[in-house]
Amino acid sequence: DIQMTQSPSSLSASVGDRVTITCRASQSISSYLNWYQQKPGKAPKLLIYAASSLQSGVPSRFSGSGSGTDFTLTISSLQPEDFATYYCHHSYSTPRTFGQGTKVEIK
Amino acid sequence: QVQLQQSGPGLVKPSQTLSLTCAISGDSVSSNSAAWNWIRQSPSRGLEWLGRTYYRSKWYNDYAVSVKSRITINPDTSKNQFSLQLNSVTPEDTAVYYCARESPRVSGNAFDIWGQGTMVTVSS
Repeated sequence: DIQMTQSPSSLSASVGDRVTITCRASQSISSYLNWYQQKPGKAPKLLIYAASSLQSGVPSRFSGSGSGTDFTLTISSLQPEDFATYYCHHSYSTPRTFGQGTKVEIK
Repeated sequence: QVQLQQSGPGLVKPSQTLSLTCAISGDSVSSNSAAWNWIRQSPSRGLEWLGRTYYRSKWYNDYAVSVKSRITINPDTSKNQFSLQLNSVTPEDTAVYYCARESPRVSGNAFDIWGQGTMVTVSS
């Protein structure tokens, strides 16, 4: 199975900050990397697919980059509604696997 | 727009079978360009993909090795839904269960549409 490792596990940031979350795959997954946002009691919401494509309706302050094994999710200017947990997920092969999550908290 | 509506019991006894259904609106379980997945989430395991069913001229299934001996995912074309059955459950199967769509043509192979989630507790 391909293991997905996110860092950091949590971070504290202020509104307006630039936030970067990284995800590393245990082997190359080309660009088959997706990012989700999850708020308490809700299902994950797709933000970025295929490493850098913005899902319809997602604000442009979210962006993704990377290929191969190393990927990044960036929030250019953190907004109050962005405080949540973020997960990476690979869709290169089965089994699909997820990172352990990064919790973004208010500083 | 596409929606997934989950149904099923929230409490299952140990050794019994967990059964959930995911009703699809706005798309077809028989679509040649989608796959229909079950995913669960628990504090101990995080987000865990369980398996999927999809139609490409015939029906296919993929399952996670961790549950392969206990899981069945079936499409129901007459009701446009798909189901999850997990046999011989233990308290370790306690989790929030989600159904989700993969749509390669719309969003790569990402899970772009999710059900609302069902908290399933395994307890006597």
